[in-house]
Amino acid sequence: NAGVTQTPKFRILKIGQSMTLQCTQDMNHNYMYWYRQDPGMGLKLIYYSVGAGITDKGEVPNGYNVSRSTTEDFPLRLELAAPSQTSVYFCASSYPWRGRNSPLHFGNGTRLTVT
Amino acid sequence: AQTVTQSQPEMSVQEAETVTLSCTYDTSENNYYLFWYKQPPSRQMILVIRQEAYKQQNATENRFSVNFQKAAKSFSLKISDSQLGDTAMYFCAFIPGEGNEKLTFGTGTRLTIIP
Repeated sequence: NAGVTQTPKFRILKIGQSMTLQCTQDMNHNYMYWYRQDPGMGLKLIYYSVGAGITDKGEVPNGYNVSRSTTEDFPLRLELAAPSQTSVYFCASSYPWRGRNSPLHFGNGTRLTVT
Repeated sequence: AQTVTQSQPEMSVQEAETVTLSCTYDTSENNYYLFWYKQPPSRQMILVIRQEAYKQQNATENRFSVNFQKAAKSFSLKISDSQLGDTAMYFCAFIPGEGNEKLTFGTGTRLTIIP
């Protein structure tokens, strides 16, 4: 049982380049999330999805796009990378969790640097 | 909208001592859940402890306990008999009891345990 898997672990982009951060989970969770963590800051929600075919904006969606064609996968797309997108990105998943342990299962993060 | 505030960016304590990390939050919800997550240098997000707002009894998990003051909207984490492995970033987080599944995080406290 792999849990939440993110790839790549590290990436360096030039300004204006595009890339997709991959996220997959094997727990059959309905809910999936993308967070970013800037240095010295907490996690801020970029986008989330409550099921296949459904996505919605979080707190900081500008500059990003997502899709959810399957329950397992929730890729995050950066179209025109900017230095402000230098951050650590976390994917997470959950099921309707009320009463269970942790509401979110996190991947190990992707460190992205835009120069 | 909910906000979570951690006013201590950094703390350090001698090994085996007790340390308390502060967290305050703001919400109009009556039912909600609060969490402390630990993020070691490996970047993993690990759930330390959780508290349901409708429970008056403070949660305890081994050396970790909380002081939940609902009226004051305060949720502090106490670590007893601190160990070197407790060195990490600690995040306080909030989720409402009904509706959306989105966690709101504080900005974190970097805790260093000194040998």
